Amino acid sequence: EIVLTQSPVTLSLSPGERATLSCRASQTAGNAFAWYQQKPGQAPRLLIYDASNRAAGIPARFSGSGSGTDFTLTISSLEPEDFAVYYCQLRSNWPPIFTFGPGTKVD
Amino acid sequence: QVQLQESGPGLVKPSETLSLTCTVSGGSIYSYYWSWIRQAPGKGLEWIGYIYFSGSTNYNPSFKSRVTLSVDTSKKQFSLKMTSVTAADTAVYFCARADVSGVLISGWFDPWGQGTLVTVSS
Repeated sequence: EIVLTQSPVTLSLSPGERATLSCRASQTAGNAFAWYQQKPGQAPRLLIYDASNRAAGIPARFSGSGSGTDFTLTISSLEPEDFAVYYCQLRSNWPPIFTFGPGTKVD
Repeated sequence: QVQLQESGPGLVKPSETLSLTCTVSGGSIYSYYWSWIRQAPGKGLEWIGYIYFSGSTNYNPSFKSRVTLSVDTSKKQFSLKMTSVTAADTAVYFCARADVSGVLISGWFDPWGQGTLVTVSS
């Protein structure tokens, strides 16, 4: 079973600052990797898929990178609406099992 | 654009069966994978399983013995049944769509339904 670890647990920043969120997998499992943003009372929103591709409608300030076991989500300049919880998620190759990280809160 | 809407009882008694349905609107149910994901209050996300429009399924091993997914393409609905529920199954249950990637399910979920809270309590 692949385990995802996100760091930090909480990231305290101000609007305009750069946010760097990390996610580490316990073992290599390809690049079927995604990032989601979740605000209170809402469903998660896909930000990044296949590790580095922005989903439709996602602003360019969001970028994803990484491969193997280490992945990063970067928000280049925080907007007020970006303060939320961010989850990473990995799909193993076979059988296709989905695992979510515990989340990083950006406040 | 495609929208997903969960429906079902908000309260289930311990040891009984939780049943939820997700209705797909604004798009096709064909040629996609459909999944259930849950989130206990104040906790993270947990993948339950997925079903292809053809009916093939794959489950999180943590739930495999208790969960059954089904699909009704004529109604554009897919469903979750979870047996022998306990208080630990209290959560917001989301349905979500995944694309096909080659011969596999893609590695991400989009879009998601708004979620429905299911409380397990007597």
